[in-house]
Amino acid sequence: EVQLVESGGGLVQPGGSLRLSCAASGFTFSNYGMSWVRQAPGKGLEWVSAISGSGGTTYYADSVKGRFTISRDNSKNTLSLHLNSLRAEDTAIYYCAKCLREGSWSAFDFWGQGTLVTVSS
Amino acid sequence: DSQMTQSPSSLSASVGDRVTITCQASQDISNYLNWYQQKPGKAPKLLIYDASDLETGVPSRFSGSGSGADFTFTISSLQPEDIATYYCQQYDNLPFTFGGGTKVEIK
Repeated sequence: EVQLVESGGGLVQPGGSLRLSCAASGFTFSNYGMSWVRQAPGKGLEWVSAISGSGGTTYYADSVKGRFTISRDNSKNTLSLHLNSLRAEDTAIYYCAKCLREGSWSAFDFWGQGTLVTVSS
Repeated sequence: DSQMTQSPSSLSASVGDRVTITCQASQDISNYLNWYQQKPGKAPKLLIYDASDLETGVPSRFSGSGSGADFTFTISSLQPEDIATYYCQQYDNLPFTFGGGTKVEIK
């Protein structure tokens, strides 16, 4: 059974940093691209970042480029997102999501339960 | 960037009704279009991928169609458990963009 479990969210002051983690199980982690998607309170879904199965290719939304860093440790089946220079508008639930197909971008067929990041003084 | 325009933003229908949601891309995205269902307090769930393919385990009352820039999502007979917000999402090009969502309620 595929499972994605996020952790690391919390309350942080503007300008602060946070590291989110996503523990994956139930599939061959290194074969699949992964993404982070966020949802601000009462708002819609916003794709944040993606990383290829090998970790060699990464992509970011313009809203987080230069501030967030996505990475993965395939030996530990773990996806990470480092959040720096946080702003109030980064307040959201952050979901990790798995690509449907091996080796190519596609739909997100499994999602974690999400972890809440609140940026406030 | 491909902007995704979803309509309506909300709708109210009776149990058993046919419900249709549209999603328009700002450019040709072939069939690289997915549909998700999100219930309150829950993570999104994949229903339809590649515009018309039904995800495993999803009831057949859900369907999708379209290609290019215009897409349609249909619930053939609305059930009480279908109350949720539905999102389209393109993956033809980065950034992967979502539509604004359609909140479906029971009349």
